[in-house]
Amino acid sequence: QVQLVQSGAEVKTPGSSVKVSCKASGGSFSRYAINWVRQAPGQGLEWMGGINPIFGKGIHAQRFQGRVTITADYFTGTAYMELSSLRSEDTAVYYCAKETVGAGAAPYFDHWGQGTLVTVSS
Amino acid sequence: SFVLTQPPSVSVAPGKTARITCGGNNIGSKSVHWYQQRPGQAPLVVIYYDSDRPSGIPERFSGSNSGNTATLTISRVEAGDEADYYCQVWDSSSDHRMFGGGTKLTVL
Repeated sequence: QVQLVQSGAEVKTPGSSVKVSCKASGGSFSRYAINWVRQAPGQGLEWMGGINPIFGKGIHAQRFQGRVTITADYFTGTAYMELSSLRSEDTAVYYCAKETVGAGAAPYFDHWGQGTLVTVSS
Repeated sequence: SFVLTQPPSVSVAPGKTARITCGGNNIGSKSVHWYQQRPGQAPLVVIYYDSDRPSGIPERFSGSNSGNTATLTISRVEAGDEADYYCQVWDSSSDHRMFGGGTKLTVL
């Protein structure tokens, strides 16, 4: 059974960067994609981007263009999401999620990390 | 980009049937996945590929998708079903994933 364990809560100042980790256990990390989803307080889920080992590169939502970097270390089985130029609106819980693609071809998220609260405040 | 529209809230009495919709332009041509999120917890997939249920999800949860609307149906609603529910699709043209705005299910 796949388990995703994320790094702990962070408090950051505006303009700084944060890097959240997501360590996988169980399964074969090099064979599945990890995505990042965030949730601002009292708000809905927002897909940020992901990385697919098959293609070896990350993709991200347009609104995070230039600010988000998603990487993976397949030796340690850990994925990372780095968000730069932080502002107060980036205060949210950040989740990593393992992606599965079945016969239907459209990916969905079948395992989630516990979430990491990132607070941006001066 | 593809927009998914959900009602902010749905209320239902225990034992009744709840229907949560997810609207989108010709969403019937896409595969829709549904997640349940209880307060303070990570989301959990309850329906994938429109109508498939993961193991461990009660048969009371079902899904359908046609035309411009996908629907998550919860039969014989229980107090424990009270949660936020999100639909999610994949946009093949951009390879992006997207969520609906979420629906808060209240059990009266």
